[in-house]
Amino acid sequence: GDSVTQMEGPVTLSEEAFLTINCTYTATGYPSLFWYVQYPGEGLQLLLKATKADDKGSNKGFEATYRKETTSFHLEKGSVQVSDSAVYFCARSGAGSYQLTFGKGTKLSVIP
Amino acid sequence: DAGVIQSPRHEVTEMGQEVTLRCKPISGHDYLFWYRQTMMRGLELLIYFNNNVPIDDSGMPEDRFSAKMPNASFSTLKIQPSEPRDSAVYFCASSLGQGREKLFFGSGTQLSVL
Repeated sequence: GDSVTQMEGPVTLSEEAFLTINCTYTATGYPSLFWYVQYPGEGLQLLLKATKADDKGSNKGFEATYRKETTSFHLEKGSVQVSDSAVYFCARSGAGSYQLTFGKGTKLSVIP
Repeated sequence: DAGVIQSPRHEVTEMGQEVTLRCKPISGHDYLFWYRQTMMRGLELLIYFNNNVPIDDSGMPEDRFSAKMPNASFSTLKIQPSEPRDSAVYFCASSLGQGREKLFFGSGTQLSVL
């Protein structure tokens, strides 16, 4: 079935460091891909999305490119801030449905 | 809009008790989802509704779990009887029409079953 695999955390970075969080997905159908972010004590919120191969989603300095050849959708940010500390979830839409399948999440902590 | 509203924020109960979680989706949204989040299993979809009708409940773990959506502005998730392994954060989310893949989540209910 559909699945999403994320790098395990936690990830701890210093402020202004470069961030990469790896995500791969099962290649069934033509899914849309997403990154959601969960700040402490809150629900998830959509960070960015990409709907087809080679699309790049971007928001708040974060970027991810839909790579069909490697079935990947890695999240990157050039310079992280303390306020980026959160749990990041990669997700894909279901083949033929609109259900989202989420990865297990990667906790990011950014220290000053 | 106030967003998706869940209640209670925290629930502590004893094994065997009935637990009811509540959700008010964003006005006008036609999809409603219930998710469960645990450290071991991550975020799992339990059930979702379209226009108040349950579409897929294959994620509901067992008959102890039930969900209803009596109208467009209210849904409940009930666990009866509750067990310690039900302890988790339960999220409700809603979405709209063609943008249904963009989910708006509530802040969740932290459930502890002792």
